[in-house]
Amino acid sequence: NAGVTQTPKFQVLKTGQSMTLQCAQDMNHNSMYWYRQDPGMGLRLIYYSASEGTTDKGEVPNGYNVSRLNKREFSLRLESAAPSQTSVYFCASTKAASTDTQYFGPGTRLTVL
Amino acid sequence: GENVEQHPSTLSVQEGDSAVIKCTYSDSASNYFPWYKQELGKRPQLIIDIRSNVGEKKDQRIAVTLNKTAKHFSLHITETQPEDSAVYFCAASRQGGSYIPTFGRGTSLIVHP
Repeated sequence: NAGVTQTPKFQVLKTGQSMTLQCAQDMNHNSMYWYRQDPGMGLRLIYYSASEGTTDKGEVPNGYNVSRLNKREFSLRLESAAPSQTSVYFCASTKAASTDTQYFGPGTRLTVL
Repeated sequence: GENVEQHPSTLSVQEGDSAVIKCTYSDSASNYFPWYKQELGKRPQLIIDIRSNVGEKKDQRIAVTLNKTAKHFSLHITETQPEDSAVYFCAASRQGGSYIPTFGRGTSLIVHP
């Protein structure tokens, strides 16, 4: 039981390049989330998927898109990376409701030059 | 929407001392209050949580208290050890698929040997 996995672990991009961050969970969870973590800013929600087939914007969605590929997988895409998107990205999942424990992936450290 | 304030942002204690981190929330309908610990370079992980139908919960050296009237909750760590050094995040959420957890900005706890 791997829990929540993310790929890649590290990535360096040039301004304007695109990339997709992958996330998968094997806990049969319904809800999945993407956060970014910056120093002193805590965890800020980018997008979430309450259930398979649905996605919604979080606090900081600009510059990102998501796809809930199936119940297990939730990807985050940067279409045209900017230096302001340099951050650590965490994927998380919960069994069902917003009042369940969040299980986080190991994170992706992204640097945009 | 919900707003969660967390204090202090940094807390430095001597090994064996107690540590207290406080959070306030704005939405009186919030009913789930988890605390996550994030060690350096690692993912956040749940250490304790409390629901609005109880006022206090303990798990060995850690405890959480909730004051619904004042809308604040606190994490208490007794007999601190160097391995307690980490960033701690509080969060608040309410029942319902469209409601998402709101995190505090985190407290960096440093335990000096």
